[in-house]
Amino acid sequence: AQTVTQSQPEMSVQEAETVTLSCTYDTSESDYYLFWYKQPPSRQMILVIRQEAYKQQNATENRFSVNFQKAAKSFSLKISDSQLGDAAMYFCAYRSGDYKLSFGAGTTVTVRA
Amino acid sequence: NAGVTQTPKFQVLKTGQSMTLQCAQDMNHEYMSWYRQDPGMGLRLIHYSVGAGITDQGEVPNGYNVSRSTTEDFPLRLLSAAPSQTSVYFCASSYSDTGKAGNTIYFGEGSWLTVV
Repeated sequence: AQTVTQSQPEMSVQEAETVTLSCTYDTSESDYYLFWYKQPPSRQMILVIRQEAYKQQNATENRFSVNFQKAAKSFSLKISDSQLGDAAMYFCAYRSGDYKLSFGAGTTVTVRA
Repeated sequence: NAGVTQTPKFQVLKTGQSMTLQCAQDMNHEYMSWYRQDPGMGLRLIHYSVGAGITDQGEVPNGYNVSRSTTEDFPLRLLSAAPSQTSVYFCASSYSDTGKAGNTIYFGEGSWLTVV
């Protein structure tokens, strides 16, 4: 299995501020996909954003954007204008051509009102 | 559109008992998989399938069996439950078109299993 590392177990952000979650991965492949999933207390897995490794342009989805650095094998998630509903566990995930999905250990995001 | 349906949602087992977690999807996805989620860890792959009649092991397969007799269903069997198998289990599915590993992966809502 590919190794996905999230070095921040917990992050706290003030409402309306910006927070960045880090993720690094280890791979020898050139073609793969990266994802960020949100898991609220309900445990539902919600896709936040995805990035194709062959695309240089960073993916964005409304208030969520990524900084994809392929050479550094880094894939950070930026949450802008944080809202109370953004509070959750966030998982970084890697998927290669064999379709297996490898997850990081997760980062718990707390939003302060 | 039901998506990925897992049953049961909650289950308590005694050590040594066997049970089956059911997973069904109605999206005609070729790829299906089972994950377990333990505290402080991300989801870990147990078993997966790329189509009916084809299954393979993931990262943590010991103590679990799977089969894929139809495209829709992918049950996970615990042969002889152990306390170490207390976890939250997720079933997931997606299309598996060649070169499209980025296809959206749909997750079930999870099954909470406690082994006492």
